[in-house]
This record gives sequence, structure tokens and C-alpha cells, in this order.
Amino acid sequence: DQQVKQNSPSLSVQEGRISILNCDYTNSMFDYFLWYKKYPAEGPTFLISISSIKDKNEDGRFTVFLNKSAKHLSLHIVPSQPGDSAVYFCAANGVSGGSNYKLTFGKGTLLTVNP
Amino acid sequence: SQTIHQWPATLVQPVGSPLSLECTVEGTSNPNLYWYRQAAGRGLQLLFYSVGIGQISSEVPQNLSASRPQDRQFILSSKKLLLSDSGFYLCAWSSAHGQPQHFGDGTRLSIL
Repeated sequence: DQQVKQNSPSLSVQEGRISILNCDYTNSMFDYFLWYKKYPAEGPTFLISISSIKDKNEDGRFTVFLNKSAKHLSLHIVPSQPGDSAVYFCAANGVSGGSNYKLTFGKGTLLTVNP
Repeated sequence: SQTIHQWPATLVQPVGSPLSLECTVEGTSNPNLYWYRQAAGRGLQLLFYSVGIGQISSEVPQNLSASRPQDRQFILSSKKLLLSDSGFYLCAWSSAHGQPQHFGDGTRLSIL
């Protein structure tokens, strides 16, 4: 049972344009959402998060939007840069299966930004 | 600032051999500690987490075990590795529930 879904395994964007990465979740008990970026042979790096009491959080070129009614969040990167090319993981946290500490991850989306 | 160290970076082990992966965190005290595995083509799966010395919670039944002998040390072990234990193992820490988890660079484990 996949509670966090990233339905696009890959995305290709031109440098300077907007990248939009999408994530859907099924567990209504999730109350905190995160995005991580991962380069090959490295651990994921935390990018940005959002609490369920908000619908938008912005940090520089990165903005995360949360639509609780649709159980959907997205990460916008504007403008996209070649160095943004990486795998992006969506993750959610909350009272899930009795564990308050568990981050549930999606399978990731490979973003390629072409120069 | 806080740092997290994992070693080794890569490891090749025969089936049936033991395993010990170590993770240490510096620059913080009483962190929450986590072990994840990423199998090929799959997302990150939480294996174990710990909220204090000697306190280990297992998320999935498996061939692995975890221990936390010191506040900032987390060890992943196995007595006999299986082929299915191959994967990318990641250690992470967080300061508290609701705070981001920060990952080490991982160990690529190949079982032959």
C-alpha cells in the first residue's frame, strides 16, 4: 500500500523554465510534508517542508504547494538550473501506523534540466 | 553545525556473511536516529528508528537488526546476509518529531 505516490518517474525541463514535481498521498493523518533532492551515490538532501496548516511555503527558487482536500502537493523550481538535475523525493510524516517518527517516501522523480 | 557520518561507502559481501554498518552524528545530543534502505527502483523504506540509547523500533520484519550503544551511534547488523539484503542503506537523524531528517551519504551493499 503506497501512501505517498510520485506518478512521474522522470521530468525533463529546459534551463530557465519552471519545473513542477507532483506528489499525491492517501493517508489523511499526514501533517508534515517534505521534499528531498538526491544526487547519485549521495544521501538525500532536505530541500523544503510544509506543515498541513499552510498551503504554501517558499524558499528562494523553491516553492511547495499543499492542497489538503486533494491530498496533493507540488514542488515548483523557478528558474530551473542544470544543477537542479537530480532525483526528487516527496515525503510525509504524521501519525501513520502508530509511529510518529516515520517518514513515508515516494519513489522519486528524476528531474533533468537541459542547458 | 551537525554532521552525520556513515561507513563504509561501498561493501561487497558473500551470502551468509555477517554485516555491521556504522553511523555517527556530531554536533547534537539525543537525536532521533533512523536506518533506511533503498532497493533498486524503489523509494526509501524505513527499517529502524531510535529515540534514545538502547531504544530501537523495527518497522519491517527482516534479516537485519539495529543497536544504539551510545547517544550518537547507530549500528545496523546482520548475522547472515541474504541476496535480498542488497541495496543502498542510509542513516539519518532529526532533532525531534516534526523536524526534517538529515541523511548520511549511504552505503552501497552488494551481496554475492
